[in-house]
Amino acid sequence: DADVTQTPRNRITKTGKRIMLECSQTKGHDRMYWYRQDPGLGLRLIYYSFDVKDINKGEISDGYSVSRQAQAKFSLSLESAIPNQTALYFCATSDSSRETQYFGPGTRLLVL
Amino acid sequence: GQNIDQPTEMTATEGAIVQINCTYQTSGFNGLFWYQQHAGEAPTFLSYNVLDGLEEKGRFSSFLSRSKGYSYLLLKELQMKDSASYLCAVRGAYSGAGSYQLTFGKGTKLSVIP
Repeated sequence: DADVTQTPRNRITKTGKRIMLECSQTKGHDRMYWYRQDPGLGLRLIYYSFDVKDINKGEISDGYSVSRQAQAKFSLSLESAIPNQTALYFCATSDSSRETQYFGPGTRLLVL
Repeated sequence: GQNIDQPTEMTATEGAIVQINCTYQTSGFNGLFWYQQHAGEAPTFLSYNVLDGLEEKGRFSSFLSRSKGYSYLLLKELQMKDSASYLCAVRGAYSGAGSYQLTFGKGTKLSVIP
C-alpha cells in the first residue's frame, strides 16, 4: 500500500465551486505539506502543518484553506475555484530530522 | 531571498553519463536534496548532501560545494527509464518550530535517446 495517498486523483470542476482535496499518510510523520505544480513554475508551497494544532501559510496560500483533522490527514480546500487554480496538486510528508519529503501521487485539477 | 537555478532541459544518449547542475543563493544553508519526477507522477527522493563532497548511490551521484553554492547530480550508464525531470531543493534558513525553509528549483527535464 502507498504511504501517502491523495483523493481524488483527477477532478474537473466549474468556476465558483468549492472543492476539497484529501491526503492521508501511514508513514507516521508529523509534518505535512500541500504544493501545486505548474509547467515552468516548479513546485510551490501552499500550506504546511507540523502537527494537528499547527497550520502555516506557504508561498501561495491565497484562495486556499487547509484542515489537519488528525496526524495522518491533511485536506486542502478551494473555497471558490477559479481557472488559474488548474494545476497538479501534491501532498507531502516529512519527519522532523532531515525533513526528506515524501510525496503523494498527485491530484490533477481542472477548473472550467 | 531564495534563488535556485537549473538548466530547463537536457538530452543525453542511452549508456552515456550526464551531469545536471544546480546553483543556489539562499538565506542560510542546511542541506540540498535531489528528486526525480517522471511526467505526471510524484517526485521521489534521490539524494541528500549537507557536507561538501560526493555522495554515491549506485548509478547516481550527487556533489556539493557550499562555498560555491553549487551542486550537481551525475547519472551514469543512462537508461531510457531515466528520462524524467530532476528537481534540486535547498533546505535554507531556520523558519521556526524546529524546521527549515525548503525551496525547490524548477527542475531539469532530461530526455534519454537511443
